[in-house]
Amino acid sequence: AQTVTQSQPEMSVQEAETVTLSCTYDTSESDYYLFWYKQPPSRQMILVIRQEAYKQQNATENRFSVNFQKAAKSFSLKISDSQLGDAAMYFCAYSYTPLVFGKGTRLSVIA
Amino acid sequence: NAGVTQTPKFQVLKTGQSMTLQCAQDMNHEYMSWYRQDPGMGLRLIHYSVGAGITDQGEVPNGYNVSRSTTEDFPLRLLSAAPSQTSVYFCASRLEGGGHTDTQYFGPGTRLTVL
Repeated sequence: AQTVTQSQPEMSVQEAETVTLSCTYDTSESDYYLFWYKQPPSRQMILVIRQEAYKQQNATENRFSVNFQKAAKSFSLKISDSQLGDAAMYFCAYSYTPLVFGKGTRLSVIA
Repeated sequence: NAGVTQTPKFQVLKTGQSMTLQCAQDMNHEYMSWYRQDPGMGLRLIHYSVGAGITDQGEVPNGYNVSRSTTEDFPLRLLSAAPSQTSVYFCASRLEGGGHTDTQYFGPGTRLTVL
């Protein structure tokens, strides 16, 4: 069975600094998708970024980028120029069928 | 498009009561699923459906029933509520039933408390 591991239950970052959230996964598949979701206090699940496993280029969305290492089964999220609004729970997810989530990392942003 | 909608937003039940959490999507998505979120546990899959008339169990199906009679709706039934079912429930959908390429869209969640 596919599993997703987020080894950092909590992290904090100073405003305007950069932070990296870690995620590893286990799969025997070669073609799949990986996602990072953000869950602010409003509880809404918001897609931050997604990566297609067959693409070597790392995905980027504005201040958010990933470091995808397929052989190592690693999928970390880098947030640059952190803002107070980035404070949230962040979930890494693996998609074949169905979507499998890690347990999340709670990110605090310090002003 | 309203996206994925869930009702109610909050619910309090007594042990042994039954209820149905409603989920609907207006995006003509084939795939729909239910998750529960508990502190420190992430989101765990309860049941999912790859199309109308087809459902399957996820990681934590016990105590829950689902059916998918239409593409739009995917209700989750609690037959006899237990305190262990106190949780936040999310419904989600994506376009393709059998694939894995699509982004999953989530409803706003239902916070359920069982006393």
